Amino acid sequence: DSGVTQTPKHLITATGQRVTLRCSPRSGDLSVYWYQQSLDQGLQFLIQYYNGEERAKGNILERFSAQQFPDLHSELNLSSLELGDSALYFCASSAPYWDNTQYFGPGTRLTVL
Amino acid sequence: DQQVKQNSPSLSVQEGRISILNCDYTNSMFDYFLWYKKYPAEGPTFLISISSIKDKNEDGRFTVFLNKSAKHLSLHIVPSQPGDSAVYFCAASGTTSGTYKYIFGTGTRLKVLA
Repeated sequence: DSGVTQTPKHLITATGQRVTLRCSPRSGDLSVYWYQQSLDQGLQFLIQYYNGEERAKGNILERFSAQQFPDLHSELNLSSLELGDSALYFCASSAPYWDNTQYFGPGTRLTVL
Repeated sequence: DQQVKQNSPSLSVQEGRISILNCDYTNSMFDYFLWYKKYPAEGPTFLISISSIKDKNEDGRFTVFLNKSAKHLSLHIVPSQPGDSAVYFCAASGTTSGTYKYIFGTGTRLKVLA
């Protein structure tokens, strides 16, 4: 158990809909990262937040957005969903500076029908 | 632009033999490298890491080698066990011009045959 929690575990929805994925980082970790993994592909970095502020942006579509709240949990919002958005979405957290390791949650499997 | 590459999508090794997984990177600003292991339906878990000031780091059956001049790192697993069967991702991190990057490779699926 990495200490990172993600909800829900599975999500099935229809094209055009909007969903919210939730992540709670390990206690004390200030950084949260979001990744997308499609069909056994690599981990595509989407976005990073550090202590509530956006820190880095990767290949995140304009239809997707994220935020990190004062209690450090984070949400990833996916809107106008398309079939190609079906994937595993992972959240990870890390301690600041002295530890480059990222601790991953179990992921949310999104299926868009 | 794939800055971190794992050119072998899969690898099969006999139990007890050595598994060697390779990773290449293109950006010399990366100064810390990590390997993660991923089982199906689980998130990746940290395995071993190496700083650019070292060329080797060992942890039990796992050793990571770094060749900075070739921009290449490798993970050696000796002896390989069936429980090592998983997807292995390398990752590279570093800061340039104030921008911090942390990039994963595409992964190598290791199958250890009993």
